[in-house]
Amino acid sequence: NAGVMQNPRHLVRRRGQEARLRCSPMKGHSHVYWYRQLPEEGLKFMVYLQKENIIDESGMPKERFSAEFPKEGPSILRIQQVVRGDSAAYFCASSPEPDNYGYTFGSGTRLTVV
Amino acid sequence: AQSVTQPDIHITVSEGASLELRCNYSYGATPYLFWYVQSPGQGLQLLLKYFSGDTLVQGIKGFEAEFKRSQSSFNLRKPSVHWSDAAEYFCAVGAPGGDYKLSFGAGTTVTVRA
Repeated sequence: NAGVMQNPRHLVRRRGQEARLRCSPMKGHSHVYWYRQLPEEGLKFMVYLQKENIIDESGMPKERFSAEFPKEGPSILRIQQVVRGDSAAYFCASSPEPDNYGYTFGSGTRLTVV
Repeated sequence: AQSVTQPDIHITVSEGASLELRCNYSYGATPYLFWYVQSPGQGLQLLLKYFSGDTLVQGIKGFEAEFKRSQSSFNLRKPSVHWSDAAEYFCAVGAPGGDYKLSFGAGTTVTVRA
């Protein structure tokens, strides 16, 4: 039973390009969460999705960031027109239920904007 | 709003020595409390969690943590450290009662010397 799969592991983008981060949840998990870890900081909640629905995007920056979790395929975190300040580790987690924090985390995607 | 403070950014400990990592939280009531470990290139792995009951919690890999309400603390301990314990450790809090967002501390990096 594979864990939460994130790819790519490392992503380098030039300023102004788009970054697409993918997350495949564990089998049987229909709840996906994205967290961002800026340098020297703890992880910060970004968004919670179920299949085809965004449940809570209260932690998402208002511009340039979007997330989806389609009926088929992985969840995608998309960052348009990246800037240096977007450089961070982006972690995805999944759970079978939305409460009690039964998370399984992926290994993260390290985004570097040059 | 809840918050977490991990006062120690970096700790170096000798193999076989004891380890204690500090965590203080701010929350209006008793939160759910967690410790995660992140080894290089890996995702976050849950070491232990506290929801209620016995304030001394046993986790995996020989770790334990003690919840002290009077001090708003949830310190992590291990009596004898192994070289494989070198990693980054995160304390996190969550609101009880059906929530799903965790608030993380900035982490403590543990180096183990031979």
